[in-house]
Amino acid sequence: DIQMTQSPSSLSASVGDRVTITCRASQGISNYLAWFQQKPGKAPKSLIYAASTLQSGVPSKFSGSGSGTDFTLTISSLQPEDFATYYCQQYYTYPFTFGPGTTVDIK
Amino acid sequence: QVQLAQSGAEVKKPGSSVKVSCKASGGTFSGFGISWVRQAPGQGLEWMGGIISILGTAKYAQKFQGRVTIIADESTTTAYMELRSLRSEDTAVYYCASGHIVVVPAIPSHSHTFDIWGQGTMVTVSS
Repeated sequence: DIQMTQSPSSLSASVGDRVTITCRASQGISNYLAWFQQKPGKAPKSLIYAASTLQSGVPSKFSGSGSGTDFTLTISSLQPEDFATYYCQQYYTYPFTFGPGTTVDIK
Repeated sequence: QVQLAQSGAEVKKPGSSVKVSCKASGGTFSGFGISWVRQAPGQGLEWMGGIISILGTAKYAQKFQGRVTIIADESTTTAYMELRSLRSEDTAVYYCASGHIVVVPAIPSHSHTFDIWGQGTMVTVSS
């Protein structure tokens, strides 16, 4: 199975900050990488697929990059509604696997 | 825009089975893949298995092999996930997620994105 790791596991940031989350796959997955945002008590929401393609309706403050084994999610200017947990996921091969999540909270 | 609506919360006894449904509105399953993902209380996301329409057969995570069945009925645009031999560790929120099919340079050659998620179904296993 492909293992997904994320760093940091949590971070504290202020409104307006630029935030970067890193995701690493245990083997190459090309660009078959997605990012999700989850708020407490809610279903995950897709932000990005194919490593860097923004889902329809997702604001451009979110961006993704990377290929192979190393990926990043960047939020250019953190807003109150962005405080949540973020997961990466590979859909390159079965079983699809998720990273453990990165919780972004208010400093 | 396709939306996924899941069935309601369930409370089950250990050893029993649960069947959760996921109905798509505003679209069909044709040309789509659908997976089931669960989340235990306070934990992360865990893929259980999924089905891709053009492949026809479901794929399951090894952990659930033999205990889970996933089907997709295109005529009713409804997917189902049945989990058997329930134990307390199966207490979790179960989500369906669907997206477009992609070709991958790996076996079994097709995968899918997770563009749309259902609202989740809480399954509690307790004696």
